[in-house]
Amino acid sequence: GQSLEQPSEVTAVEGAIVQINCTYQTSGFYGLSWYQQHDGGAPTFLSYNGLDGLEETGRFSSFLSRSDSYGYLLLQELQMKDSASYFCAPYNFNKFYFGSGTKLNVKP
Amino acid sequence: GAVVSQHPSRVICKSGTSVKIECRSLDFQATTMFWYRQFPKQSLMLMATSNEGSKATYEQGVEKDKFLINHASLTLSTLTVTSAHPEDSSFYICSARDSDLTGMGQPQHFGDGTRLSIL
Repeated sequence: GQSLEQPSEVTAVEGAIVQINCTYQTSGFYGLSWYQQHDGGAPTFLSYNGLDGLEETGRFSSFLSRSDSYGYLLLQELQMKDSASYFCAPYNFNKFYFGSGTKLNVKP
Repeated sequence: GAVVSQHPSRVICKSGTSVKIECRSLDFQATTMFWYRQFPKQSLMLMATSNEGSKATYEQGVEKDKFLINHASLTLSTLTVTSAHPEDSSFYICSARDSDLTGMGQPQHFGDGTRLSIL
């Protein structure tokens, strides 16, 4: 089977930095993706880590450690529009499976 | 960018009705599309993988006779919820990956979802 763990909710203020962790247990693992979903909307792709290390895309960075079955999403210079749910999604056997999601609340 | 169109965006219908949801990749070809279901404040649950020209692969616990999937072309997959009941009310979302792009990590592109309400 497989399991995914993310914090259920995180609160931070505008301009701050926040890290959302994800630990996983799954077979056939190839890499880890992160998606953002605003209330009522569909998920949008943020990043993918196929190799260990840090991937940076603008204000967002994502990290993967295969040996630790662990990854994180780092959001810098938080803005109000970053308030959303964030899902880690391991890629295995040609599919993405989504974690329970982390609700990020950004306060002024 | 890659665009996935999902239609309809919202359906309200009576119990016992069958409902068809379409998922189209507009500017790329997708041999594989995915169907998810999401209940309020919960995660996306993968229901099935739709394969062009062959049978869909269903996740454990998903009734294939209840959720009929057809992937007749490289740009269109349909999900039909047969004899829908109130417990089938949910947010259904499709996604697709560009067949022409190689590499394991090519992102999924999601449609805007279909909010299904069965009365």
